[in-house]
Amino acid sequence: GAGVSQSPRYKVAKRGQDVALRCDPISGHVSLFWYQQALGQGPEFLTYFQNEAQLDKSGLPSDRFFAERPEGSVSTLKIQRTQQEDSAVYLCASSLDRVRVLYSGNTIYFGEGSWLTVV
Amino acid sequence: AQTVTQSQPEMSVQEAETVTLSCTYDTSESNYYLFWYKQPPSRQMILVIRQEAYKQQNATENRFSVNFQKAAKSFSLKISDSQLGDTAMYFCAFMKQAQGGSEKLVFGKGMKLTVNP
Repeated sequence: GAGVSQSPRYKVAKRGQDVALRCDPISGHVSLFWYQQALGQGPEFLTYFQNEAQLDKSGLPSDRFFAERPEGSVSTLKIQRTQQEDSAVYLCASSLDRVRVLYSGNTIYFGEGSWLTVV
Repeated sequence: AQTVTQSQPEMSVQEAETVTLSCTYDTSESNYYLFWYKQPPSRQMILVIRQEAYKQQNATENRFSVNFQKAAKSFSLKISDSQLGDTAMYFCAFMKQAQGGSEKLVFGKGMKLTVNP
């Protein structure tokens, strides 16, 4: 597709359940980011991939959060044993490559997010 | 660590008028980038405008312009001739010019702008 695609758009999980959120970046985009946006807050960085390599996972809040991008395209964010504080919108973003982001005016493109509610 | 502060949680403006959204940030970096993103109810973050810290000239994009004051660490967004479609959440964001690793965005808490007919 033309943009960053995320699925599911909406997910209701019972506390303790595992969830998987998928991100399909723009074709050819090297960099992929995951952000978490709680209600009434700005997005907060979770993790970053350059192709299949996870170069930064400093924002993952606990070891219940795991992300992968095995073939350098589609990425999955997995949350194990969900808790109520995990309720948020999870935004995925992609960009062409690092140099382009910084110097060409190209930008980071965001998806519409996956809304997770843990009950 | 970098922080971004948006002190006005909400603003409203009449259609066709001009509005200014404020943003301050804190960093010890000398090379960085600043952004304004718009987030409509669909939740997709849309880039409005970006500013490179090494450029003295303020960025402009059609009806949108910024007032970048590097010494004061201030980065305000001016929207001219406001339109109903400008109604959204607006987020100020910072990105440092990393030599390696990720270029992660640090966002403020956002500001809700309503344009009234």
